[in-house]
Amino acid sequence: DAEITQSPRHKITETGRQVTLACHQTWNHNNMFWYRQDLGHGLRLIHYSYGVQDTNKGEVSDGYSVSRSNTEDLPLTLESAASSQTSVYFCASSESLGKYNEQFFGPGTRLTVL
Amino acid sequence: KQEVTQIPAALSVPEGENLVLNCSFTDSAIYNLQWFRQDPGKGLTSLLLIQSSQREQTSGRLNASLDKSSGRSTLYIAASQPGDSATYLCAVSRGSTLGRLYFGRGTQLTVWP
Repeated sequence: DAEITQSPRHKITETGRQVTLACHQTWNHNNMFWYRQDLGHGLRLIHYSYGVQDTNKGEVSDGYSVSRSNTEDLPLTLESAASSQTSVYFCASSESLGKYNEQFFGPGTRLTVL
Repeated sequence: KQEVTQIPAALSVPEGENLVLNCSFTDSAIYNLQWFRQDPGKGLTSLLLIQSSQREQTSGRLNASLDKSSGRSTLYIAASQPGDSATYLCAVSRGSTLGRLYFGRGTQLTVWP
């Protein structure tokens, strides 16, 4: 069955370290998204991509970067981890945009920055 | 900016009750609205997607309605079961920011036996 996976599922790191969270989908969806979920804020968009070599900033993109070298993967990199980036991170994908844009989510990565 | 609000924030009901979860949004220029379920420590599971031209969608015991002009959606759960206990999130997609979802903070539902 097609799916979307994230790794690692849990990560503890130290302030200042570079961290990369992986997201892999087997649906061959063009559109991929990264969100973070925090108490009191709900889910907020970090970065998104409409296809290979395309990346766009979301509402909370500072301190994060993404690259899209193939259809299946959209890794999220924290350049220099900060305690404010402790959160649960979700990756999502969708086949189309507009009114048929049904997004499917991965299981999440819980990141703790000490 | 699109603001999405869900009321109530938490709901506790006995098994068998029919219940309604509410979602409101400030900008009626949406492409679609999606309802998700989230279990503790897990990802989001898509329940229903309503396109902007539709009034409702049904899946099993779930029925979601959309009134775009008033900026409201409701998720109706019939004959609730303890297995329905989870957090329910609604999210809207706007035409001006293609593909991006704007989420409410969710309603935490507990169904007790």
